[in-house]
Amino acid sequence: AQSVTQPDIHITVSEGASLELRCNYSYGATPYLFWYVQSPGQGLQLLLKYFSGDTLVQGIKGFEAEFKRSQSSFNLRKPSVHWSDAAEYFCAVGESGYSTLTFGKGTMLLVSP
Amino acid sequence: NAGVTQTPKFRILKIGQSMTLQCAQDMNHNYMYWYRQDPGMGLKLIYYSVGAGITDKGEVPNGYNVSRSTTEDFPLRLELAAPSQTSVYFCASSYSRTGGDEQYFGPGTRLTVT
Repeated sequence: AQSVTQPDIHITVSEGASLELRCNYSYGATPYLFWYVQSPGQGLQLLLKYFSGDTLVQGIKGFEAEFKRSQSSFNLRKPSVHWSDAAEYFCAVGESGYSTLTFGKGTMLLVSP
Repeated sequence: NAGVTQTPKFRILKIGQSMTLQCAQDMNHNYMYWYRQDPGMGLKLIYYSVGAGITDKGEVPNGYNVSRSTTEDFPLRLELAAPSQTSVYFCASSYSRTGGDEQYFGPGTRLTVT
């Protein structure tokens, strides 16, 4: 069965600093990988997704993620964090032929002034 | 397009009461999902549907029921509410079952059972 691990429950980053959120997955074949963001009191919004091809994926709001098969990782990055990026971030994995996703437990990003 | 809509936004239930959480989407998506979100636990799939008349259990289906009579609507029923069902419930939909399709989420229903 597939699984997703987000090792960091909380991360605090200063505004303007760079950000990296970690995600490790467990899945036998090439997975479909997603990053979602949840602002307080809101539903989840897709930031980016990886299916195949170029391992560096660009998303909305200046985010990018890199798929590393050898490390089973799909880390999310942003060069310069804005206060509005404070939210909870979820990594998810999907499986070819199945519509369901498995979500990680999330990482709460706090942005300090 | 309204996307995925959920009602109500908030609800307080007493133990043993019943209620239905409503979910509708206007994107003509075949696939719909119900998740619950508990603090620090991420999202857990309760039930999902691959089309009208077809539903299947997810990871945590106990205490819940669903139906899918139309493409647009996917209500979630709690028959005998228990404190363990206090959670935030999200409905989502997607176009296909490739495994790589984006799921679109509703704004959620915050349910408290006391």
